[in-house]
Amino acid sequence: AQSVTQLGSHVSVSEGALVLLRCNYSSSVPPYLFWYVQYPNQGLQLLLKYTSAATLVKGINGFEAEFKKSETSFHLTKPSAHMSDAAEYFCAVSSSIYNQGGKLIFGQGTELSVKP
Amino acid sequence: NAGVTQTPKFQVLKTGQSMTLQCAQDMNHNSMYWYRQDPGMGLRLIYYSASEGTTDKGEVPNGYNVSRLNKREFSLRLESAAPSQTSVYFCASSEYPQPGEGYTFGSGTRLTVV
Repeated sequence: AQSVTQLGSHVSVSEGALVLLRCNYSSSVPPYLFWYVQYPNQGLQLLLKYTSAATLVKGINGFEAEFKKSETSFHLTKPSAHMSDAAEYFCAVSSSIYNQGGKLIFGQGTELSVKP
Repeated sequence: NAGVTQTPKFQVLKTGQSMTLQCAQDMNHNSMYWYRQDPGMGLRLIYYSASEGTTDKGEVPNGYNVSRLNKREFSLRLESAAPSQTSVYFCASSEYPQPGEGYTFGSGTRLTVV
């Protein structure tokens, strides 16, 4: 079984400050991990993914995440927040095992606010 | 590139009415999924279709049925709508059997059941 926990349903940062969104996962098999972003009234857009290659993954819009197996974590960071980063962010996990359907299990989401 | 197209974008139903949410993808993806999104609960999988001709239940299938009409289309049907089914519904697709590819999402259907 797999699950994802995102710590903090709301995070607020000032423009230019570090963004840190936390994600911990549980998986009985080697996981694939994803971060998605959702802007208001839109669908979800893939930010980045970990698929067992490099543990530090770079995504779009200056975001990156590091896979830490010992901590079962996949936290999302950005060195300097921009007003346009305000959105809801979802962490998700899937099995890396072939023929398990590729189903994504999502966390509860973290809403990021950016203050001027 | 249309990607994943969902119709309608908005719908209001009365309790007990039925409706079908439509989803079509033009990326030649094998797998398609239906999720519902509720505040504070993230996205929960309703049904999925790993490949054309197959469908399986997800986490919250009660009150829903699906049809994989062909490789492109995957519809979600509410036979007798209930207020608890008020939600935003997302369709997604992926290039199965490559689980590392992630999904492409539609823009959602906002459903209100009164």
